[in-house]
Amino acid sequence: AQSVTQPDIHITVSEGASLELRCNYSYGATPYLFWYVQSPGQGLQLLLKYFSGDTLVQGIKGFEAEFKRSQSSFNLRKPSVHWSDAAEYFCAVGEGTGNQFYFGTGTSLTVIP
Amino acid sequence: DTGVSQDPRHKITKRGQNVTFRCDPISEHNRLYWYRQTLGQGPEFLTYFQNEAQLEKSRLLSDRFSAERPKGSFSTLEIQRTEQGDSAMYLCASSLSGGAKREQYFGPGTRLTVT
Repeated sequence: AQSVTQPDIHITVSEGASLELRCNYSYGATPYLFWYVQSPGQGLQLLLKYFSGDTLVQGIKGFEAEFKRSQSSFNLRKPSVHWSDAAEYFCAVGEGTGNQFYFGTGTSLTVIP
Repeated sequence: DTGVSQDPRHKITKRGQNVTFRCDPISEHNRLYWYRQTLGQGPEFLTYFQNEAQLEKSRLLSDRFSAERPKGSFSTLEIQRTEQGDSAMYLCASSLSGGAKREQYFGPGTRLTVT
């Protein structure tokens, strides 16, 4: 069965520092991979997605993610974090022929001045 | 604002009561999904519609839960005889058809508290 693991429940970074959020997935074929962000009281917003091709994908708000098949990972990165990036981040995998998304448990990001 | 709206945003109900939530998807989207999100967890799939047809249901969707999308536009999710374990955020999402490649656009959710 498909699954997504986000090993870090909570991360704290200083504003201006770099960020990497980890995501590992379990899926037999090439997955469709997504990162969503959820701010308090808001719905989930798509940051970026990977289907095929270039394994480094760029998203909104300066985020990028790299698909590494050998490590079954799709880590999210940002070179310089802003205070407004504080939120909950979810990695998700889409089943190729199906229609379900499987979400990780999320990583809560705190940004300190 | 993603264009997906949900109503109400918050609902407090007593155990044993019935509740109904509404989701209005993006108008051109023919797929509509319901998820449940509990504290500290990611969204869990409940069910989805392709137009008015309910094509898939999770085992999480007990027989107390029913969802409809009568005209292929808005959808309702009803929970009968609510239990405290039903307390959660209920999220709706919509997308174009085309399988898991299609981005799902999420609404703000309905937070249900069962007392």
